[in-house]
Amino acid sequence: DQQVKQNSPSLSVQEGRISILNCDYTNSMFDYFLWYKKYPAEGPTFLISISSIKDKNEDGRFTVFLNKSAKHLSLHIVPSQPGDSAVYFCAAHLYNTDKLIFGTGTRLQVFP
Amino acid sequence: DAGVTQSPTHLIKTRGQQVTLRCSPKSGHDTVSWYQQALGQGPQFIFQYYEEEERQRGNFPDRFSGHQFPNYSSELNVNALLLGDSALYLCASSLGPGATNEKLFFGSGTQLSVL
Repeated sequence: DQQVKQNSPSLSVQEGRISILNCDYTNSMFDYFLWYKKYPAEGPTFLISISSIKDKNEDGRFTVFLNKSAKHLSLHIVPSQPGDSAVYFCAAHLYNTDKLIFGTGTRLQVFP
Repeated sequence: DAGVTQSPTHLIKTRGQQVTLRCSPKSGHDTVSWYQQALGQGPQFIFQYYEEEERQRGNFPDRFSGHQFPNYSSELNVNALLLGDSALYLCASSLGPGATNEKLFFGSGTQLSVL
């Protein structure tokens, strides 16, 4: 049972344009959500998070939106840069546990 | 300041064998979590160690076991290896088990291949 889903395995965006990565979840017991970025041969690195009581969090070029009624979150990158090319994982924290539940990832390619 | 270090980086084993993976947490961190990332999948939580004890466990069989040492480093042991155990094994460290997960730092992983 995939509780966190990233339905787009890949996304290609031109440099300077907006990248939108999507994530859907099914469990109402998630209390916050995170995005991680992963380069080849490296571990995931934390990018941005959002509490389940908020609907938006912004950090520089990165903004995460949460729609609780739709159980959907998205990561916006504006403007996209070639260095943003990586695999992006959506993750959800299960309330009262130490567990992060990850999606399957979206490979973002930003081309010049 | 060294980050999370894992060894070895790559490992090849045959079915039925046993394997031990090692992790040194980021300086100042005392909690270690282990994740398994199969090809094309996201990382899956195996278990977490704090104060040398297993705190929480994901949906993994008893063939997967771990240990944490007084210096906070950790080992992941897998017995009776199956082909399906082939994956990237990630170690993540944090300060305290209750730390919000944005404070989770991952190592580069150990790529295990079971033939």
